[in-house]
Amino acid sequence: RKEVEQDPGPFNVPEGATVAFNCTYSNSASQSFFWYRQDCRKEPKLLMSVYSSGNEDGRFTAQLNRASQYISLLIRDSKLSDSATYLCVVNTGNQFYFGTGTSLTVIP
Amino acid sequence: DAGVTQSPTHLIKTRGQQVTLRCSPKSGHDTVSWYQQALGQGPQFIFQYYEEEERQRGNFPDRFSGHQFPNYSSELNVNALLLGDSALYLCASSLAAADTQYFGPGTRLTVL
Repeated sequence: RKEVEQDPGPFNVPEGATVAFNCTYSNSASQSFFWYRQDCRKEPKLLMSVYSSGNEDGRFTAQLNRASQYISLLIRDSKLSDSATYLCVVNTGNQFYFGTGTSLTVIP
Repeated sequence: DAGVTQSPTHLIKTRGQQVTLRCSPKSGHDTVSWYQQALGQGPQFIFQYYEEEERQRGNFPDRFSGHQFPNYSSELNVNALLLGDSALYLCASSLAAADTQYFGPGTRLTVL
């Protein structure tokens, strides 16, 4: 079983739409959680950390559910510039584990 | 404030050859991790260096080795290259092993 699993998509949504991604992890002792964004042929860039209390950064909201071992990312009012692959990342204390990524295309 | 830098940006090698990739961490960071990202996949952890020692290692063969220098920069060496080693190799730096990681632009390795 993979440490981190994500729906690869692709998600194709119109501008202004709200889109949500989910991610599950297998190690209940995982310590910290992140969402990274990766543009085509570029390096991953930190989008936001994910906390149990939930956190928001502008149009982006991240949630962590430790009991069910899943992490979510909600993007409101999608922009064309949001088109990218979104990587779910889990740190077990020993290693960072990346999901395969969820592809998002925002359509004009 | 310089971010993570990697060199070279692209590299073409043939099977059986050896390659060395280089990484300089973000200013103030002391921990360097290396990842391999195949097309369509997420980054896979190779190993992590801290205080010039390999601290953690992922599921990669001994053909993959590394080094960290006193200035915290790092090298990744791959021996006896296989076609399957073709990938984007990413270096990430952090202030501590479990801290948020910041990635360099990567080195794209093609093995022919």
